[in-house]
Amino acid sequence: RKEVEQDPGPFNVPEGATVAFNCTYSNSASQSFFWYRQDCRKEPKLLMSVYSSGNEDGRFTAQLNRASQYISLLIRDSKLSDSATYLCVVNMGGYGQNFVFGPGTRLSVLP
Amino acid sequence: GAGVSQSPSNKVTEKGKDVELRCDPISGHTALYWYRQSLGQGLEFLIYFQGNSAPDKSGLPSDRFSAERTGGSVSTLTIQRTQQEDSAVYLCASSKFGQGSNEQYFGPGTRLTVT
Repeated sequence: RKEVEQDPGPFNVPEGATVAFNCTYSNSASQSFFWYRQDCRKEPKLLMSVYSSGNEDGRFTAQLNRASQYISLLIRDSKLSDSATYLCVVNMGGYGQNFVFGPGTRLSVLP
Repeated sequence: GAGVSQSPSNKVTEKGKDVELRCDPISGHTALYWYRQSLGQGLEFLIYFQGNSAPDKSGLPSDRFSAERTGGSVSTLTIQRTQQEDSAVYLCASSKFGQGSNEQYFGPGTRLTVT
């Protein structure tokens, strides 16, 4: 089993739709969680950290379920500009390199 | 404030030549990471520096790859005797270690093409 798994998509949704992505992780001792977005031929950019209590930033809501070892990202009222690849990132803790990137989920928002 | 910077932004080199890629992290960030990303692929971890600790080199694909970080700030990734399979975007990221949730911030990358 891979350490961090995501549905690669693509998710093709119309403008204004609500879309949700899940990400599962294998290490129950994982300490922190993030969502990044990556536009084509650009570097990943931090979208939001994911807190235990869940958090919201405008149209974006992130949730963490430690018992089932997954995090989710919900995008409401999607915009054309939301089209990107969304990367799930898990900090597994411990010494050394401990950030594990998921393969990403591709979202295309269609007019 | 200033983000992570990388240079050059693009590098075309002939097979067999050596290349050096530079990363300047965000001021005050003690952790620095190198990744590479081939076209249409995910991020591949290469090497990690944290303060004065020994770097985590577990991701380096061969002994042709090396990196150093001078004075706990700027880092240089060196690829010796480049091969065509080394062609990729090389991304550098930095983060505060031990504070908050340690988000990583990425530079714009160096696009390396080996001909």
